[in-house]
Order: sequence, then structure tokens, then C-alpha cells
Amino acid sequence: KAGVTQTPRYLIKTRGQQVTLSCSPISGHRSVSWYQQTPGQGLQFLFEYFSETQRNKGNFPGRFSGRQFSNSRSEMNVSTLELGDSALYLCASSPRLGDTQYFGPGTRLTVL
Amino acid sequence: GQQVMQIPQYQHVQEGEDFTTYCNSSTTLSNIQWYKQRPGGHPVFLIQLVKSGEVKKQKRLTFQFGEAKKNSSLHITATQTTDVGTYFCAGPTQGGSEKLVFGKGTKLTVNP
Repeated sequence: KAGVTQTPRYLIKTRGQQVTLSCSPISGHRSVSWYQQTPGQGLQFLFEYFSETQRNKGNFPGRFSGRQFSNSRSEMNVSTLELGDSALYLCASSPRLGDTQYFGPGTRLTVL
Repeated sequence: GQQVMQIPQYQHVQEGEDFTTYCNSSTTLSNIQWYKQRPGGHPVFLIQLVKSGEVKKQKRLTFQFGEAKKNSSLHITATQTTDVGTYFCAGPTQGGSEKLVFGKGTKLTVNP
């Protein structure tokens, strides 16, 4: 099976802009989670979608949003970008909620 | 909410030395999962432990799940430079919409 894919792999934006990141899960996986990773901060959970519904949400401001489509593909959006949003954004898919996470390569976002 | 703590945060060893990282949960876990993230890479699933007191081995890696299912450890015998990376443990929350809670990870560096 093909692994989790994320696009784009790298992105440079300026403060105030918005960005949309895309994630295609492993075929058959219905759960998609998003994480933010910054140096020294570990994996910060953003949200998890299952069957097009947001099932869990982390402690991030409303500028961070996401959605999942009927084919399980997911997107996350960050509006009004801030410098502190610079990070590696990882998407992970799993067959079920709380199950083993299979991570994609991530999108490296730089906000200038 | 449920917390998963990992210690140490950093560990530097000489090649050939042993290494252990510990994971402690504030609540009983149905299972514990371990992931490894190489520098510049993304987290990769290593193993899942389910039973109380379970011990599993993968070559030089030994994983243990505590009797109370609230703690776990990963021990690497005779470290090699290929072991470099950050090791994360994770456990699912209980009740309602399960999600995986990750520890902050232990970053291992190996001096050749």
C-alpha cells in the first residue's frame, strides 16, 4: 500500500497570509490526525477526523481548522499566519480512532 | 486530561553503551505504542504493547509494559549510530472519542 502523502512538502508564506495543507491517508484508513512539531515542543496534537467528522481537537486557536472529505483525504487551513506558526505539520492516518498512527513526511511551513 | 510523560528529554551516549527511556501515564492505558523519528524524518511506528507486564524485543531494542499498564520503557543494548533519533511513546485516551496522546519524546544522540 502507498503511504501517507502530504502536499506541499515545503511552503514559505508571510505573516497575515493563509495556507492550506493537504493529506492523503493510506487506502482504507478512515482516521486522519494533524500534528504541529516545533523544535523542543514534541508533537502537538491539532485535530483528528474520522468519517468526515472532527472527533478530537487540541488546544490551538480558531485560526487552525481542518476538514475531511468522503474519500478520507484531509486538509488543514491556517488563517492569518503568525511567525510562531512556522513548524513541521505532520499528518497521520490510522484505521480507527486511537489506533497506530502512520505518519506522512510532513509539510515544512516557514512564515516570514 | 490524560498526560504521558517521558524521561529523559535528552540522552547522549557513546556508541556501544546502553540506553533507556521511560514513559509514564497519568491513567491506565489499554496499550502503549512506541515511535522513532530520525533527524529530518517523520515518526515511524515501532511497536505496540497491550498486555500487563508484556515484554517484546526487536533485535537490540527491548520494550516493556508495566504491570499496572501505566508505564513503559524502551531499552537499547549496545547503541549504534543508526539508533540516533527521537523516541516517542503514546497511549490512547479512554472513553468517548479515543485519541493518541504522545509523550514529548527522548532525543538520543550517539557519539561514534
